[in-house]
Amino acid sequence: DAGVIQSPRHEVTEMGQEVTLRCKPISGHDYLFWYRQTMMRGLELLIYFNNNVPIDDSGMPEDRFSAKMPNASFSTLKIQPSEPRDSAVYFCASRIGQGVYGYTFGSGTRLTVV
Amino acid sequence: QQPVQSPQAVILREGEDAVINCSSSKALYSVHWYRQKHGEAPVFLMILLKGGEQKGHEKISASFNEKKQQSSLYLTASQLSYSGTYFCGTSSSASKIIFGSGTRLSIRP
Repeated sequence: DAGVIQSPRHEVTEMGQEVTLRCKPISGHDYLFWYRQTMMRGLELLIYFNNNVPIDDSGMPEDRFSAKMPNASFSTLKIQPSEPRDSAVYFCASRIGQGVYGYTFGSGTRLTVV
Repeated sequence: QQPVQSPQAVILREGEDAVINCSSSKALYSVHWYRQKHGEAPVFLMILLKGGEQKGHEKISASFNEKKQQSSLYLTASQLSYSGTYFCGTSSSASKIIFGSGTRLSIRP
């Protein structure tokens, strides 16, 4: 299996622009998580899905952030409009079943908003 | 509620042992341990479920004290490859986990 695939690996954008991050989970994994990592705040859970349905989006910073999972093999995290404080590494992770298994993380997308 | 990890950083010589602690203020269903190397994604090491258990993974093992809501990660006879940042992640249910702030481990030859 190719693992969790994220794209792009790096994104540099100007403040105010729309940014879309993409994730393909491991086939057969029914949970998908979006995390954001910064030096100041560590690894923060933004949102997670179970069987393509958003379960908990309480970590989404504000309305500028949105996430979708139209099918079992694809998810997007969108920021519109982007701001410099959104600069971070965004990780997607997937897992099979409920809480007895670990997460597999993608390689992450390093987002820089200038 | 974010779990608390200690220490924040550890420097060891190759072959020495280390213990990393993780504590939560909430009742726990499970504790996860991950290692992240610089510029890479976190990698899953092990999961411990409530009921109080200990697990081993090569020379890395962990314990989970459900009553105290604490877990500890033990690294014995450390190798250079063990360097990185270790995160515990705690879950009060069978769904999401919340990560601690990490413990940076540096191994010197």
